[in-house]
Amino acid sequence: NAGVTQTPKFQVLKTGQSMTLQCAQDMNHEYMSWYRQDPGMGLRLIHYSVGAGITDQGEVPNGYNVSRSTTEDFPLRLLSAAPSQTSVYFCASSYSIIGVTDRPNTEAFFGQGTRLTVV
Amino acid sequence: GQSLEQPSEVTAVEGAIVQINCTYQTSGFYGLSWYQQHDGGAPTFLSYNALDGLEETGRFSSFLSRSDSYGYLLLQELQMKDSASYFCADTGGGNKLTFGTGTQLKVEL
Repeated sequence: NAGVTQTPKFQVLKTGQSMTLQCAQDMNHEYMSWYRQDPGMGLRLIHYSVGAGITDQGEVPNGYNVSRSTTEDFPLRLLSAAPSQTSVYFCASSYSIIGVTDRPNTEAFFGQGTRLTVV
Repeated sequence: GQSLEQPSEVTAVEGAIVQINCTYQTSGFYGLSWYQQHDGGAPTFLSYNALDGLEETGRFSSFLSRSDSYGYLLLQELQMKDSASYFCADTGGGNKLTFGTGTQLKVEL
């Protein structure tokens, strides 16, 4: 199993350009999400999905779109890049569990990240 | 809103024990997770507390008190490779994670 695979690893964009960050997982996880991490800070949730065809907004969704047409893939689209979107982006997947449960089902697996610079 | 507060930095010597605290104010709290992140790397899962009490996994233990809105991560027999950032996270419904501010742990000889 490859786990969670993100591409590209590095990207430089000009202000106003659009692009798609790819994320794929091969663990048959229902739940996938996108986070951004700014220097010296924790991760903030952008968008998430609890299954194919279902997406919802997280804490910082503005400027980003997502879709979930298959269980495996969850791409993140930047519509018109801005310097404020310079960040490291992480995709994550996990089992979708609601309520109190045991540890193995709550583990989130992260991709290696995409380092995006918008100039 | 939701917030999870951690000390920004902790320093300890190799072989020692260190505790990283996390206090939270969240709505709809499900449980507390802990993640480790080395510089330039992806976060990796360490531990999860769904119920009050102590969970032990090798050199790492994690504790949760729901009545105090408080948890901690305990690292024993510190090694140089433990130098990293540690994040607590509220594990919301559907495994939606809200991360804390993060603690940078420096392990010295």
